[in-house]
Amino acid sequence: DGGITQSPKYLFRKEGQNVTLSCEQNLNHDAMYWYRQDPGQGLRLIYYSQIVNDFQKGDIAEGYSVSREKKESFPLTVTSAQKNPTAFYLCASSIAGGFSSYNEQFFGPGTRLTVL
Amino acid sequence: QKEVEQNSGPLSVPEGAIASLNCTYSDRGSQSFFWYRQYSGKSPELIMSIYSNGDKEDGRFTAQLNKASQYVSLLIRDSQPSDSATYLCAVKAGNNRKLIWGLGTSLAVNP
Repeated sequence: DGGITQSPKYLFRKEGQNVTLSCEQNLNHDAMYWYRQDPGQGLRLIYYSQIVNDFQKGDIAEGYSVSREKKESFPLTVTSAQKNPTAFYLCASSIAGGFSSYNEQFFGPGTRLTVL
Repeated sequence: QKEVEQNSGPLSVPEGAIASLNCTYSDRGSQSFFWYRQYSGKSPELIMSIYSNGDKEDGRFTAQLNKASQYVSLLIRDSQPSDSATYLCAVKAGNNRKLIWGLGTSLAVNP
């Protein structure tokens, strides 16, 4: 049963804490992405990775960090430097990244992060 | 000018009618176009991708692409209440590694 899993579904963080959101895929996709969605603002790209051990900043990378040690996994850490982290976080993957035109992205179920 | 624009809606149609959702984009070099459906509180789900001018049909859904006029549309035939959701348009330029997302159009199908 192929797909993308994200955990936890809901996460509560206290001010000043770092938290890590998990994203795993068994689709054998090369590229993985992290988005943030806020009401009225649409999807904004945080980080993306086209291959293992490589990743690039997206449009709103400040206060976030990622790693890509395995093809299947792309965890996102929300650090205390992120001033307004309450949002819906979405992980996605695609067969290939880069300049490939055929770049259908498939999403996991998301993690809703709330700062207390 | 926003790179990908959609009418925020809400677009309200009666059950059984055709719903027409539109998306315009600014980059003439755009090559790939995608429609996603997002139910409230859920993640986006890919409905259609289209790469060439013309129509592409999949069940009750038809995507239409006109690169000269820089718009892509999604038609939903025989609309059902279960189609009520926000529809997101995403565009990928030829020399861009990222998808550019519209803000979405909210669709309400009334029984």
